[in-house]
Amino acid sequence: QVQLVQSGAEVKKPGASVKVSCKASGYTFTDYGLSWVRQAPGQGLEWMGWVSTYNDETKYAQKFQGRVTVTAETSTNTAYLEVRSLRSDDTAVYYCARGWGDQWGQGTLVTVSS
Amino acid sequence: DIVMTQSPDSLAVSLGERATINCKPSQSVLYRSDNKNYLAWYQQKPGQPPRLLIYWASTRASGVPDRFSGSGSGTDFTLTISSLQAEDVAVYYCQQYYTTHMYTFGQGTKLEIK
Repeated sequence: QVQLVQSGAEVKKPGASVKVSCKASGYTFTDYGLSWVRQAPGQGLEWMGWVSTYNDETKYAQKFQGRVTVTAETSTNTAYLEVRSLRSDDTAVYYCARGWGDQWGQGTLVTVSS
Repeated sequence: DIVMTQSPDSLAVSLGERATINCKPSQSVLYRSDNKNYLAWYQQKPGQPPRLLIYWASTRASGVPDRFSGSGSGTDFTLTISSLQAEDVAVYYCQQYYTTHMYTFGQGTKLEIK
């Protein structure tokens, strides 16, 4: 069955960077891109970006352009989300999702606190 | 960017009654070449990732009970739960996947039991 397994919770200080991973299994990795979505505490879903697992093409929400990088590693069927210059309002659960969202990872809580 | 607006923000319905949630994209998500509406609905329960309920505006995802249905086209969509069950208490989101690899969500509708 399709599974997206994300890395564990992180605690970071303001100004630091975080890199979250998402390991896919149960399907051909290069057949689908991967999206990243975040959810701040008590808030809604916010689409951040997408990476092609076929040709490394990327797309980003304008809000995150320049501060976020999404990548994919076909040798390990793993996608990554890196967020730089973290602020307290980046505290959220970060999800990976297959394509536009037919399957989701379990989420990774990133807490930004001094 | 396509802005997705849901209504209402919250809704309380009696068990066994009908629940209706609306979603209005800021521009049409109907792709003329294939006559498909690139719109999905998700259910999210506390502490869980979103679960895909409906895609192509009206196609139920695998395992979704038939009390859930989606309708609409272009810029006007509806998610209907025909007979509310206790386990349907959740937040519901619509999402457009019309804009290639740049997907946006509605703000969410919280559904409770009256």
